[in-house]
Amino acid sequence: GQNIDQPTEMTATEGAIVQINCTYQTSGFNGLFWYQQHAGEAPTFLSYNVLDGLEEKGRFSSFLSRSKGYSYLLLKELQMKDSASYLCAVMDSNYQLIWGAGTKLIIKP
Amino acid sequence: DVKVTQSSRYLVKRTGEKVFLECVQDMDHENMFWYRQDPGLGLRLIYFSYDVKMKEKGDIPEGYSVSREKKERFSLILESASTNQTSMYLCASSSAGQVLFGPGTRLTVT
Repeated sequence: GQNIDQPTEMTATEGAIVQINCTYQTSGFNGLFWYQQHAGEAPTFLSYNVLDGLEEKGRFSSFLSRSKGYSYLLLKELQMKDSASYLCAVMDSNYQLIWGAGTKLIIKP
Repeated sequence: DVKVTQSSRYLVKRTGEKVFLECVQDMDHENMFWYRQDPGLGLRLIYFSYDVKMKEKGDIPEGYSVSREKKERFSLILESASTNQTSMYLCASSSAGQVLFGPGTRLTVT
């Protein structure tokens, strides 16, 4: 079956760096997405990786290794507003999205 | 500014009512999706459509139907609402490398 695994919850300190991991097993691969979702709101797009390597976008970076079925989202200089859930999703060979359950990130002052 | 819109942010309906949730996208995307999201269960796919008048069942289609008469509009229908359909409903549209969500509709069935 198809599966996306990410930690349920993580805690970090304001100003620090945190890495949220995502491992996947899917039928084919057409890209991996990261989304941020604040409580009660819709997910908002953060990044899309289709090739191996690191994509940097401001304080957020996303890494992909297709051979390992692994990605991570790196958040630097954490701010209180980064407290949210972070969703990992893979688009499979049929262009269907397989979603992880999300990682709730708690930022402490 | 490209976007996905949903007809209501909050909706309260009674058990047994027929409920329509509308979703419109202005990006000319082929693919559109309806999800529901419940605490601890993540996003669950109800139905999706990859073209006008085409629809495919997702993981939890029971109790729902959909309609896609025009490319930009994808409607979710609850034929007879039940309390276990109280949830956040999210519409999304996608093309290669891009998946955008609407703001969501929080439906309460009493």
